[in-house]
Amino acid sequence: SQQGEEDPQALSIQEGENATMNCSYKTSINNLQWYRQNSGRGLVHLILIRSNEREKHSGRLRVTLDTSKKSSSLLITASRAADTASYFCATVWAQKLVFGQGTRLTINP
Amino acid sequence: NAGVTQTPKFQVLKTGQSMTLQCAQDMNHNSMYWYRQDPGMGLRLIYYSASEGTTDKGEVPNGYNVSRLNKREFSLRLESAAPSQTSVYFCASSELHRANTGELFFGEGSRLTVL
Repeated sequence: SQQGEEDPQALSIQEGENATMNCSYKTSINNLQWYRQNSGRGLVHLILIRSNEREKHSGRLRVTLDTSKKSSSLLITASRAADTASYFCATVWAQKLVFGQGTRLTINP
Repeated sequence: NAGVTQTPKFQVLKTGQSMTLQCAQDMNHNSMYWYRQDPGMGLRLIYYSASEGTTDKGEVPNGYNVSRLNKREFSLRLESAAPSQTSVYFCASSELHRANTGELFFGEGSRLTVL
């Protein structure tokens, strides 16, 4: 990827557990965004964290940003079956929003 | 609210045929984008339009043309389809140019197969 890469590529956990996904990027950023994609659907914006923020919460989502390590993490707490989806980070590169390859999250009942 | 609407949802073409993917947004956004999504490749930007009347190339523009017909509509044209263009195409829009701070709103995708 030219900018962001998610890790792991796939993650399978039991319902109720927490899920953590990581994103690494290469250049300085103004902000980093996370998106979710359910199978066969378009992407949906989850959360945006600015470069001067270290942590941000939205419901069961917690995003952290470490600009010194050029990395971000997305934590989903108390996972549900409906959280099964692919998750993408996105950053601006060459004045365009570019996406990583995504983490495929499966929540097992 | 419809948001971003793409047509068609599915299309099968033969090599060499042409077609146009249509996209319309009703959120009064200035910027619109076309991405393609392939397995293991994430989303790659094909073209984008910062505002009505302007278009710019993205990462993978070869084999495509676009038209920003008005503020609402942004179409993607394949003049001579090739099997390598088999993909899922997503249109998106945002309030702010270059998505420096604006979130993108996506359509549901157009699944194109080129035989």
